[in-house]
Parts: sequence; C-alpha cells; structure tokens
Amino acid sequence: EIVLTQSPGTLSLSPGERATLSCRASQSVISNYLAWYQQKPGQAPRLLIYDASTRATGIPDRFSGSGSGTDFTLTISRLEPEDFAVFYCQEYGSSPGTFGQGTKLDIK
Amino acid sequence: QVQLVQSGAEVKKPGSSVKVSCKASGGTFRDFAISWVRQAPGQGLEWMGGIIPIFGTSNYAQKFQGRVTITADESTNTAYLEMSSLRSDDTAVYYCAKVSVLRYFDWFDPWGQGTLVTVSA
Repeated sequence: EIVLTQSPGTLSLSPGERATLSCRASQSVISNYLAWYQQKPGQAPRLLIYDASTRATGIPDRFSGSGSGTDFTLTISRLEPEDFAVFYCQEYGSSPGTFGQGTKLDIK
Repeated sequence: QVQLVQSGAEVKKPGSSVKVSCKASGGTFRDFAISWVRQAPGQGLEWMGGIIPIFGTSNYAQKFQGRVTITADESTNTAYLEMSSLRSDDTAVYYCAKVSVLRYFDWFDPWGQGTLVTVSA
C-alpha cells in the first residue's frame, strides 16, 4: 500500500498570496494517477485535479497540479477568500487508492 | 451531470448493523462505478470499497473485508453500503462517490453529501 505524506500540515497565508502544497508518495505512483481535493467544513470533498495535472470541470485556473513519480504539488497562484480549506491528495494507481492526511490552509 | 443523494443520519448501538443508501440521478448506473469513503471526526479520508453495477462485482479494502457489503440496484440507480458488528470507532461520515471509469476506485467526482453514522451505547 502506498503511503502519501502531505506537507506542511498547516499553511497560513493571506489572500492574494501563492500557496504550494506538497504530496510525497512512498513509492512511484503508477501513470501519475494522483488527484487533489478541497474540503470545507461540513462539506464533501470537491475534486480539483486528476491525473496529477488535469483540472476538473469548473475549477478556476489559479489551481494547478504538477509532479510525477513520487513528488506532486498543488499550487494556488493567488489565494481567494473562498480557497481556505483542507486539501487532500489521493493516489488511484494501485489498491486501495490511499489518501494523504491533508494540509489545512488557513487565513493568516 | 450526475448527482448523488445519500440517506439520512443514523444512530446505532455497538454490535448492530447499518445500511446507507446512495441514489444517483442524471446518469445511468451502467456507465460508471461507485465507491464508498469514510471520514472519522476530525480525521482524513479512507477508501472502503467499490462496486461496478454493470458487472455486479464489488471490491473491498482489506481492513473492511468480511464486515462491509456494497451492493447496487440498477432499477433504482441506488448503491448501498452495509456494515455489521459496529464499534464506536466506526463513528464517521460515510460518503459515496462516482468513479467515471469501470474500476472500483479512481478519481472521485462527484461525491454524495455524506451520511453521519454514530455508534454509541
């Protein structure tokens, strides 16, 4: 089972700043099958990125994903007030399709 | 645009069972799969298992094998998660999520709204 480690655990930034979130896998992710989700309190997760770098339908272009192999990054170019939430990465190339522990992005 | 609507919150006694439903609208079960993911209070996300309705086959994370059963009713476009021998640490929000390819898991979009299952004596 692949273990995903997200860093940092908490990221405190201000609106307008750039956010860089990391997801490191314990072994190479098959075909870069990695997704990113955003979850706000009391809500279900929302898909942002799949296949490491493809934005999901309706996701603003300030969200971008990059990386390959074992190191992946989610970048939010200019933070909007509605972007503050918890972000999870997920690999789906091998069973059982694990999630990272999450990065909390909060307002500084 | 597929939407997933789940059944309401449940309160269960330890040792009992629970069955949560997930009804899909705006699409046909023959075109996609459904996975179940749970989230304990204040914790992260955990894939439990999935079903490919058109094949009628299910697959489970090892942790849940023998205690979880996932089924689907194509006539009503509804998937079900049944968990037995409930313990207090099964208290969580249970989500269903659509898998756009015919695999037990992939990227998940959309998700149901979640069902809180509370296990308490």
